[in-house]
Parts: sequence; structure tokens; C-alpha cells
Amino acid sequence: GEDVEQSLFLSVREGDSSVINCTYTDSSSTYLYWYKQEPGAGLQLLTYIFSNMDMKQDQRLTVLLNKKDKHLSLRIADTQTGDSAIYFCAGGKGGSYIPTFGRGTSLIVHP
Amino acid sequence: DVKVTQSSRYLVKRTGEKVFLECVQDMDHENMFWYRQDPGLGLRLIYFSYDVKMKEKGDIPEGYSVSREKKERFSLILESASTNQTSMYLCAIGGQPQHFGDGTRLSIL
Repeated sequence: GEDVEQSLFLSVREGDSSVINCTYTDSSSTYLYWYKQEPGAGLQLLTYIFSNMDMKQDQRLTVLLNKKDKHLSLRIADTQTGDSAIYFCAGGKGGSYIPTFGRGTSLIVHP
Repeated sequence: DVKVTQSSRYLVKRTGEKVFLECVQDMDHENMFWYRQDPGLGLRLIYFSYDVKMKEKGDIPEGYSVSREKKERFSLILESASTNQTSMYLCAIGGQPQHFGDGTRLSIL
């Protein structure tokens, strides 16, 4: 089945850009998602990209997809302390309602 | 806005108790899911349901059961709670993508 890998931690200074990386194994994944989990809360859908896209931008968030390398990244511009959270990458296929989640990357933003 | 409501944010129970975790949605969606989340292990699927009275095992169903008597409600049942079931439990609905509730942090003493 699908495997989704992420690094566990990322530490950045407030105002810098953050880049969270994710690799996946199943090249037939048609949907790729980023979720954000704040402390003590559930997962909130941040953004998603279809496999026929290379890039998606939404305000401070930029998602890049490299299908050849099966690599997905989430860039957060001008990172703020409120961006401190766990970020999950997830991949899914058309016809399946069960995405595969990575283990999550803890983003720590310090002043 | 999608609303997935889990009945409790925090719950403390004793070993051997029967525990019910409730999840209610307002989106009339067929698909509902229960996950548990543990540090370093990410999300693991316990059970899911595609329709009323229908259930399917996920990756870690042992020690759990579920009930879906109405479309909007999906219950997770710990038949006889054990300390290794202390965890964060997340309910989700949908397909592509899934939408999550706020989670229930369950402690079994």
C-alpha cells in the first residue's frame, strides 16, 4: 500500500519561511493534502493539490508537487508563532475514501 | 462549514470499564471514520463505516467495536478498557478530503 514519509521536527524563527517536506510511494495518488493540528485539537484541512498540478498557492501557503520524485512540499511564508503546530501530509486515490497519512511534522516557531 | 462533533474533549475512565465515544456530523455524509493518534505513530485507522449499520475494520480494530444506527452518528466502543488504549481519538467524515472533529483525549487509569 501507500507509504507517506515526513521528517518529525522543524524549527524556524518568526518571520522566516518554513518548508515542510513529504515523500510518498504510490504514483497513482490523485489527491495530496496538507492538514494542520494545533495542540489539543483535531486535524484541520489546510490545502490540497491534485496530481495533475505542479503548484498551488493560497495566501502564505505554497504547495509544490514533484511527481517524478514523488515529493510534496508545503512552504509557509513569513512564519508566525500561530503557525506552530503539527502538519500532516496525506495522499489518496480516486475511488478510495481512506487517505494515507504521514506521521506529522512538528513545526516550532520561536521569536 | 463542515461540523463534526465529538461528545467529549477529555475523558478519564478505569480499566475494565465499557467506554463509549460519540461522533455526530451535520453533513449527511455516508462515510465516517475513527482513528487513534499516538506520539510518533501518527494516525491509525480503527474502524470505518460507509453507511448506516455498516462497518469495516481498519488497521487496528482489536479491543474496539463500533455502532452506526443513524447516518449522522458513529460510536466507538471500548468493550473493556485497558491502559494501552489511553490515546487521542479522532472522528472524521468524508472522502476526498476527510474532515475531522476536535478529538477526545481518553485516559484509562
